[in-house]
Amino acid sequence: DTGVSQDPRHKITKRGQNVTFRCDPISEHNRLYWYRQTLGQGPEFLTYFQNEAQLEKSRLLSDRFSAERPKGSFSTLEIQRTEQGDSAMYLCASSLGPSGRETQYFGPGTRLLVL
Amino acid sequence: RKEVEQDPGPFNVPEGATVAFNCTYSNSASQSFFWYRQDCRKEPKLLMSVYSSGNEDGRFTAQLNRASQYISLLIRDSKLSDSATYLCVVNGGQFYFGTGTSLTVIP
Repeated sequence: DTGVSQDPRHKITKRGQNVTFRCDPISEHNRLYWYRQTLGQGPEFLTYFQNEAQLEKSRLLSDRFSAERPKGSFSTLEIQRTEQGDSAMYLCASSLGPSGRETQYFGPGTRLLVL
Repeated sequence: RKEVEQDPGPFNVPEGATVAFNCTYSNSASQSFFWYRQDCRKEPKLLMSVYSSGNEDGRFTAQLNRASQYISLLIRDSKLSDSATYLCVVNGGQFYFGTGTSLTVIP
């Protein structure tokens, strides 16, 4: 399977703990995006990378969130001191860009529950 | 104003019906447009891309009206398996997602 993969698929944690998620993009894709999605809403942009450079970060993203893509391949998203409001599906997508026809392909997501 | 707006529905239609969803966007400089399908608790999956006036793939037709800044998705001969949420996505320098339109096809 050469699609986008994410790990873990599910994570349950206690409030105040740190969590880290991993995303492996489609191998030839240079762009990688992180989104958060809650029930009844569309995906909400968090941040994106082009190769190893983090080009944009949402203003909604607090300092507790950090993302890396050190070698321009896989990426990690870390949430420090988790809060109950962080409970959501975290989606990763990859694409080949920039292009007027850039198309995103999503991984299966990591579902986070903060107790 | 939101970048992308969709009617959330729900749309409940009988098998075999034709159903249409509309989506409006605010950035007139947007270059590309997409419809994704999302099943419950799953990731969005690309259904169609729209770069010019429209695109057709079997029972699915997407149309773009740049003057009025809306995109539509038409599903003909609805199947039970079409039941899902349909997300409208617009690339206006960044990918903007609608909240999705829920479709249930009833036997």
